[in-house]
Amino acid sequence: AQTVTQSQPEMSVQEAETVTLSCTYDTSESDYYLFWYKQPPSRQMILVIRQEAYKQQNATENRFSVNFQKAAKSFSLKISDSQLGDAAMYFCAYRKPMEYGNKLVFGAGTILRVKS
Amino acid sequence: DAGVTQSPTHLIKTRGQQVTLRCSPKSGHDTVSWYQQALGQGPQFIFQYYEEEERQRGNFPDRFSGHQFPNYSSELNVNALLLGDSALYLCASSPGPGGLVTEAFFGQGTRLTVV
Repeated sequence: AQTVTQSQPEMSVQEAETVTLSCTYDTSESDYYLFWYKQPPSRQMILVIRQEAYKQQNATENRFSVNFQKAAKSFSLKISDSQLGDAAMYFCAYRKPMEYGNKLVFGAGTILRVKS
Repeated sequence: DAGVTQSPTHLIKTRGQQVTLRCSPKSGHDTVSWYQQALGQGPQFIFQYYEEEERQRGNFPDRFSGHQFPNYSSELNVNALLLGDSALYLCASSPGPGGLVTEAFFGQGTRLTVV
């Protein structure tokens, strides 16, 4: 079974600075998808960024970028120029491509606090 | 365009009772998945519905059941509630049951408290 591990229960960053959230996963599959989701106090899970395992290039979305190391099974999220609105719980998630089934496997999450 | 809507937002039930949670998917989406998120933990996959059938199921007992209607909306039913069923229940919709579909939109969840 696939597992996702987030080893940092909580992280803090100063506004305008950069922070990196860590994620490792375990799978025997060669083709899969990885995601970072943000869950603010409103509880709604919001997709931040996604990465297809077959792509060597790291995904980037504005201030958010990932460092995908397939051999090491590592998928970290870097947030640049942190803003107060970035404060939330961040979840790393994995999905195996299946014809019927888009089950996401989530890590335990990392609380990100942004200091002004 | 309304996103994924869930009802109710909060619910309090007594141990042993039954509960039904509802989800309307985002417009254009035909697949609904349900997740249970215990306090301080990541969401756990319960099951997925597509074409009114359960297509994939996580490691949850038969007390958890669901239904999908022709308009793609879905219900999650939990029988014989236990205190451990207290959690945030999230619904996610997507434009397809799997394959290359990577898009999933989540609702704001239903907070269930079992007393």
